[in-house]
Amino acid sequence: RKEVEQDPGPFNVPEGATVAFNCTYSNSASQSFFWYRQDCRKEPKLLMSVYSSGNEDGRFTAQLNRASQYISLLIRDSKLSDSATYLCVVRVFGNEKLTFGTGTRLTIIP
Amino acid sequence: NAGVTQTPKFRVLKTGQSMTLLCAQDMNHEYMYWYRQDPGMGLRLIHYSVGEGTTAKGEVPDGYNVSRLKKQNFLLGLESAAPSQTSVYFCASSYPKTGGPSTDTQYFGPGTRLTVL
Repeated sequence: RKEVEQDPGPFNVPEGATVAFNCTYSNSASQSFFWYRQDCRKEPKLLMSVYSSGNEDGRFTAQLNRASQYISLLIRDSKLSDSATYLCVVRVFGNEKLTFGTGTRLTIIP
Repeated sequence: NAGVTQTPKFRVLKTGQSMTLLCAQDMNHEYMYWYRQDPGMGLRLIHYSVGEGTTAKGEVPDGYNVSRLKKQNFLLGLESAAPSQTSVYFCASSYPKTGGPSTDTQYFGPGTRLTVL
């Protein structure tokens, strides 16, 4: 089983719609959780951290469910510029390394 | 600040050739990482460094060597390239939290696209 699993998509969503995707992780010692965004042929960039209580950043909402070992990302009022691959990232407690999921590809359709 | 830069951006090698990828960061970060990204595999850690003069193996270290002689530079070497090393290589850096593991935000370079024929 992969340490971090994501639905690869693609998710094709009309502009203005709400889209959500989940990510599951296998190591219960996972401590830190993030969503990174990667545009086509570009480097990954941090989108947002995911906190236990859930957190929002503008149109983006991230949630963590430790009991079920999954995190989610919700994008409201989607924009064309949201088209990208979203990487779920996890760090295990005491580990220097991040573990990346394979990514979920999102395309916003005009 | 340039952030994290990588040299070269593209390279084509023949099987058995060697090369070195250079990563440089100007953010005074302690921690640096080399990843490779392949379709369907996600980012996989090759080697990393928690400070000048130190390196450690990641998930897929075989066939690669690294050196961190200066804090701002992290070199990735391929001694004898193989077609299986065709990939996009990303370097990243981060700054350690005080008294704890590295900060979780990693800053990535633009990548090196390597093809081994």
